[in-house]
Amino acid sequence: GQSLEQPSEVTAVEGAIVQINCTYQTSGFYGLSWYQQHDGGAPTFLSYNALDGLEETGRFSSFLSRSDSYGYLLLQELQMKDSASYFCAVRDRGYSTLTFGKGTMLLVSP
Amino acid sequence: KAGVTQTPRYLIKTRGQQVTLSCSPISGHRSVSWYQQTPGQGLQFLFEYFSETQRNKGNFPGRFSGRQFSNSRSEMNVSTLELGDSALYLCASSLEGTGTDEQYFGPGTRLTVT
Repeated sequence: GQSLEQPSEVTAVEGAIVQINCTYQTSGFYGLSWYQQHDGGAPTFLSYNALDGLEETGRFSSFLSRSDSYGYLLLQELQMKDSASYFCAVRDRGYSTLTFGKGTMLLVSP
Repeated sequence: KAGVTQTPRYLIKTRGQQVTLSCSPISGHRSVSWYQQTPGQGLQFLFEYFSETQRNKGNFPGRFSGRQFSNSRSEMNVSTLELGDSALYLCASSLEGTGTDEQYFGPGTRLTVT
């Protein structure tokens, strides 16, 4: 099986930069995904890293290091609307299911 | 293009009853996955269907079952409901061959078992 660890909560102020870490244990996987979920809403896909390195999409970037079994989501120029839960997820090669971490609640204050 | 739809949005049942939830994927998406979301456990994988076949199943008891129809619509059923089954049930559809794990989630069905 696989397991993912991420902080339960992160706080930051508007305009700041925040990094949400995700460490995983799996017997082999295809890639690391990130999803955002606002309170009462559905999760929405943010990014996917299949290879080591940084992927940038606007204010959001995601990083993966397979050798360290580690990844992170970087959010820049934080806005109030970024307050949400963020989930990392991996698809295990053996089981081929998408396993989610328990989520990190990001609270952005003025 | 319409998004993933789930019905009903809210449901209240009593212990011992059974419930059927429905999910209509995005047009053209043949893969449908179901997840249970609770505050303590996050998103937990229930099962995945592709072309009417169950491709993967999570670690849930046999009371949880599902199926997929030829139009890719999917249903999940929970029999003999327990209080612990109270949760948000999310359905997600995806397009094969994109090279990513991008799934499109529906708004969910909020199930309350009393």
